Parts: sequence; structure tokens; C-alpha cells
Amino acid sequence: ETGVTQTPRHLVMGMTNKKSLKCEQHLGHNAMYWYKQSAKKPLELMFVYNFKEQTENNSVPSRFSPECPNSSHLFLHLHTLQPEDSALYLCASSQTLAGGVDTQYFGPGTRLTVL
Amino acid sequence: EDQVTQSPEALRLQEGESSSLNCSYTVSGLRGLFWYRQDPGKGPEFLFTLYSAGEEKEKERLKATLTKKESFLHITAPKPEDSATYLCAVQAVESNYQLIWGAGTKLIIKP
Repeated sequence: ETGVTQTPRHLVMGMTNKKSLKCEQHLGHNAMYWYKQSAKKPLELMFVYNFKEQTENNSVPSRFSPECPNSSHLFLHLHTLQPEDSALYLCASSQTLAGGVDTQYFGPGTRLTVL
Repeated sequence: EDQVTQSPEALRLQEGESSSLNCSYTVSGLRGLFWYRQDPGKGPEFLFTLYSAGEEKEKERLKATLTKKESFLHITAPKPEDSATYLCAVQAVESNYQLIWGAGTKLIIKP
């Protein structure tokens, strides 16, 4: 595997289900991100981790719960979602958050549909 | 308020017809401006980073330029495989990592 991988690629869930999204980066980076992408809207930053520590929670509802066990893996736990949460969820990684300009590399995304 | 605006929202071109996409930005200070390409159902793919006004970067049929207020992505003699949504994002001086994203320009190249 190379780059940033995400599983599953597609997920359909009911409003009462609990599911998890998984992201793994093979780039040796130390920072990882979750984004939400809705049609015709700019990417929305949800969470940021640097060296496994959460540095950003962009006012995300508690029904989204991130977990970062190490610098290579990132999870997004989902529970009691709403239909408006249907979107493409993107994971990204970058070298580190040490300042300067740091390019973010993205995974293929998980297309989430909430019924 | 910091913001990024991309235009047009969508652009249809014939194969070989050159054109430009625009990314206008308003930030207090610019650390860097990024261009990404996104194919349907996939994640954004990094293309370029520009750091200062006057800078230009090229990759195949794409050329990105930067001024103090906007960036252009010039596409020369495009092919159908250049069809994608092109995203622009800006990192402001006061931010270590947070990017301000535009909504993208959907480019369709007809054979």
C-alpha cells in the first residue's frame, strides 16, 4: 500500500447505527486530518492530530468521535448520525504541524449515506 | 474575513481549447496557495504550491501563477483526461496548518 488509504469506500447506515471509518497513511507523516466534503461546498476541516495528539476540533457534533492510536492510523467513529451528515469523508496527512507550509495528501474518501 | 473564491463554477471546453481557472483570495498574509485536482469519487490530488507573487509552476498542460490577490490555473490544449474538479486552498500566515478552501471549478473537456 502507498499513500493514504481509507476503508470502507462506501457506507450506508441508518440513523441508529454505529460504524467506524478507518484511515492509514504510508508516507511517514506525523499529522492527520479528517475533512467533510459536501456537494458544491468547500472542504470542511473536522479534526486534526499531530503526533497522536488532537490539536483541532472544529466545533464538530459529538456524534462524530475521532481516534488516533498512532501517527499512521486515524479512525472516525460514527453514531446516531443525521441524514445531513451524508457526504464524502476525506482523510489527509502531512509531514508535521511545525509551522511553515505543509502539503496535505489525501486518501480516496469514504462516501457515507445516512438513511 | 479570510476567504477563497473560485470561478467559474463550471467550464466546458473543446479538446485543444486553452483557458484559465481563477482563484481569488483574501487573507491578511499568505503562507502558501495550493492547487489540487479531484476526480469524481476520489480524494484531491496535489498539483502545486505557490508561495509568493510572481511565482509560476508548470506540470504537463497545467501552469499555475500567483499575484497578491489571485491565482490562475492555465490549461493549454487540454485533453478529455484533464476533466476534473480543480480545488484551490490558501494557508494564511497566522495558521500552522488550517487551509481555507474554495468550492472548486468543474472542468469538462469534450473530445
